[in-house]
Amino acid sequence: QSVLTQPPSVSGAPGQRVTISCTGSRSNIGAGYDVHWYQQLPGTAPRLLIYGNSNRPSGVPDRFSGSKSGTSASLAITGLQAEDEADYYCQSYDSRLSGSWVFGGGTKLTVL
Amino acid sequence: QVQLQESGPGLVKPSETLSLTCTVSGGSISSSPYSWGWIRQPPGKGLEWIETIYYSGSTSYNPSLKSRVTISVDTSKNQFSLKLSSVTAADTAVYYCARGRNSNYAWFDPWGQGTLVTVSS
Repeated sequence: QSVLTQPPSVSGAPGQRVTISCTGSRSNIGAGYDVHWYQQLPGTAPRLLIYGNSNRPSGVPDRFSGSKSGTSASLAITGLQAEDEADYYCQSYDSRLSGSWVFGGGTKLTVL
Repeated sequence: QVQLQESGPGLVKPSETLSLTCTVSGGSISSSPYSWGWIRQPPGKGLEWIETIYYSGSTSYNPSLKSRVTISVDTSKNQFSLKLSSVTAADTAVYYCARGRNSNYAWFDPWGQGTLVTVSS
């Protein structure tokens, strides 16, 4: 059971908008720690998609955006494309038990 | 552009020690403000942070693995290493090394390509 909770799966048709939620608690997201998002294509290593809640590294399309509020964060993908089909993970820091970096359980995005 | 590459045995026997090395190229492992860490992913499952070493030499471990892991750095070779003792089948996973930052607000980027380690007799 992950410290950060994500829906196991989401889906959308090409061109649509989808969102993926990441729910934490007062010891991680709610404590003010940043949320970061990764995209993992099948058989590959995770790739940084969003850092610091809402910042995109160079090379990441502006179709991807992130937000954070309270104890939750969200990743939004607009103009869905077939190549967006992947697993998405959120990550933050948790201050319990001497502190540790924590991930969400991952969300499988299916492009219909 | 910094790149990371994991190396080590792909098969480890139960109760033995898993040892992996991450070689960093395109940048110095001693550079501030970076840290270096290990993350694993069991087959078909999610990501789990294992440990991190900071440029100062201090370390941070996942509480659930703390008693079994160590991390070290060899600056002369621009490498850092993971040792996980007393492994069981539950430690079978793809192990990734990644660069972090010297902050609790840090993200991991870039990542190595990952190496699959299977624990089996």
